[in-house]
Amino acid sequence: GQQLNQSPQSMFIQEGEDVSMNCTSSSIFNTWLWYKQDPGEGPVLLIALYKAGELTSNGRLTAQFGITRKDSFLNISASIPSDVGIYFCAGQGDGSGAGSYQLTFGKGTKLSVIP
Amino acid sequence: EAGVAQSPRYKIIEKRQSVAFWCNPISGHATLYWYQQILGQGPKLLIQFQNNGVVDDSQLPKDRFSAERLKGVDSTLKIQPAKLEDSAVYLCASSLVGQEYSYEQYFGPGTRLTVT
Repeated sequence: GQQLNQSPQSMFIQEGEDVSMNCTSSSIFNTWLWYKQDPGEGPVLLIALYKAGELTSNGRLTAQFGITRKDSFLNISASIPSDVGIYFCAGQGDGSGAGSYQLTFGKGTKLSVIP
Repeated sequence: EAGVAQSPRYKIIEKRQSVAFWCNPISGHATLYWYQQILGQGPKLLIQFQNNGVVDDSQLPKDRFSAERLKGVDSTLKIQPAKLEDSAVYLCASSLVGQEYSYEQYFGPGTRLTVT
């Protein structure tokens, strides 16, 4: 099946710093999504990307859909304490093959912000 | 707009017992998903319904897991008998449409299952 490699696994940053994380895949995806999960809660959709090369912002968050359609990046500017959580990338396939419209999730990047 | 509701939030059972989880999706959402999230991992799809029909259950361990969505609204996921490796958070999600437009999925808070 499809697999996503998400990095880094965890990061500790100072409040106010910028953050970057990424996902890579051996397969092409039609859609890339970024979710944030707080402890004891379900993932919340942050940004959805639909076209290769697309750059989309949501407040202090910016994400890009890689040109090759095999990667995506998420940047958080001027981090604040409430940015703490686990960030997941997810890719949706192109429909070729059984189950390929499924969302495939990365293993997550755990972000800690030091005040 | 009310979100995806799940119950119970927590469940502890012994191995070989059975357990059931309930999900009520966002009103009007035709597609409902059940995911398993093991600690330290991303969610993994178990089953997808569109209305009351199964669209994809390729990753559902059918010897012990079952799910239904009889009236095309709420859904139950059952495990019988449970194994230790079933300990995980079970997430329910819903979206307006399915198949290629399943990206806008809204998740519930999940049920944390511990099998001892």
